[in-house]
Amino acid sequence: QKEVEQNSGPLSVPEGAIASLNCTYSDRVSQSFFWYRQYSGKSPELIMSIYSNGDKEDGRFTAQLNKASQYVSLLIRDSQPSDSATYLCAVNEAGSGNTGKLIFGQGTTLQVKP
Amino acid sequence: NAGVTQTPKFQVLKTGQSMTLQCAQDMNHNSMYWYRQDPGMGLRLIYYSASEGTTDKGEVPNGYNVSRLNKREFSLRLESAAPSQTSVYFCASRVAGSPNEQFFGPGTRLTVL
Repeated sequence: QKEVEQNSGPLSVPEGAIASLNCTYSDRVSQSFFWYRQYSGKSPELIMSIYSNGDKEDGRFTAQLNKASQYVSLLIRDSQPSDSATYLCAVNEAGSGNTGKLIFGQGTTLQVKP
Repeated sequence: NAGVTQTPKFQVLKTGQSMTLQCAQDMNHNSMYWYRQDPGMGLRLIYYSASEGTTDKGEVPNGYNVSRLNKREFSLRLESAAPSQTSVYFCASRVAGSPNEQFFGPGTRLTVL
């Protein structure tokens, strides 16, 4: 069974620190990787996508992908209390053609303390 | 652009009742999806529609049916609600040709008593 694994947390960091969120996936041929942010009681919001090995930076967010290790991470620099949310890792379901199906991890709850 | 909209926002049903959750998108997206989210379980795919006129089962389809009414609308029906279907339901859509980026509606919080 194809799986996406995340540590459910909570991960607690002080304001201004770097938060590091990690995700592993089981399907070696997956090609597309996403990070969604979900505030309590709200819907998931896409914040980062990454498709090739290495780092991708967008403002305070950096996504890192290592396909050999089947590992994707999200770094949040200068963490703010407004970053407190659940972060969902999602991976495309390889072999599903053009269906666009994603497999989601269970999410990591991040708490940024002032 | 409203994006992805869902109705209703909240619903309480009694066991055995039926209802339809509505979803619409105004982004001209081809693919649409229904998920449920339970505590500690992440998002699980119920049904999806890769394009207008097609629907297919996801990971947890039992107890649900769907209709892709047109390119904009994708509805989810519970024929005989059960307490196990108490959950938050999200609809999502994806533009054709995009590398799987999905955009979510605000969700429907359903309680089955």
